[in-house]
Amino acid sequence: SQQGEEDPQALSIQEGENATMNCSYKTSINNLQWYRQNSGRGLVHLILIRSNEREKHSGRLRVTLDTSKKSSSLLITASRAADTASYFCATDPSGANSKLTFGKGITLSVRP
Amino acid sequence: DVKVTQSSRYLVKRTGEKVFLECVQDMDHENMFWYRQDPGLGLRLIYFSYDVKMKEKGDIPEGYSVSREKKERFSLILESASTNQTSMYLCATVAGGPRYEQYFGPGTRLTVT
Repeated sequence: SQQGEEDPQALSIQEGENATMNCSYKTSINNLQWYRQNSGRGLVHLILIRSNEREKHSGRLRVTLDTSKKSSSLLITASRAADTASYFCATDPSGANSKLTFGKGITLSVRP
Repeated sequence: DVKVTQSSRYLVKRTGEKVFLECVQDMDHENMFWYRQDPGLGLRLIYFSYDVKMKEKGDIPEGYSVSREKKERFSLILESASTNQTSMYLCATVAGGPRYEQYFGPGTRLTVT
């Protein structure tokens, strides 16, 4: 069962611009994670934000979490061509036996 | 660095064949997962294992089975491959509980003809 829904489905920007990607979910969560997938490869973990956190930074990445709106955003600043990839949010629903559920992903293209 | 390897990057099999996909991790993680990824559907969990010889069904276990005889190795088995099992298969592992950061293998792109 998929809980996270990313928006937009595809995004095309110029190198140097910022990219903002959104994720909405339905049930309460313990944490929310963002992953990147380069074409035809496995996913790479980018950042994890816990339900009691509102914002987190990692290098050029900034993630926010609004549990009242059940939404998160991933901001990539000063984008580079190498940021071209698919980005997935994954939610960890509250509950003892929960597992991560992944959204369908956002395709980001950064034009040189 | 955690290393997760999968036995093949590309695999072509015929309908009805028994197919084994293997995943090996080198970090002594207890939890291991098999997903399939299809365009427009994202990642869907097939099976996961939280210890040796322990397994649990995910969201789409039909047509698949798994084996975990050793902690570092988690195998996905397609008992009788069908064309609708053509997909990208991804293995992942995680330290601690299943809700934390997952480390993925490079994926196996399986085509069933």
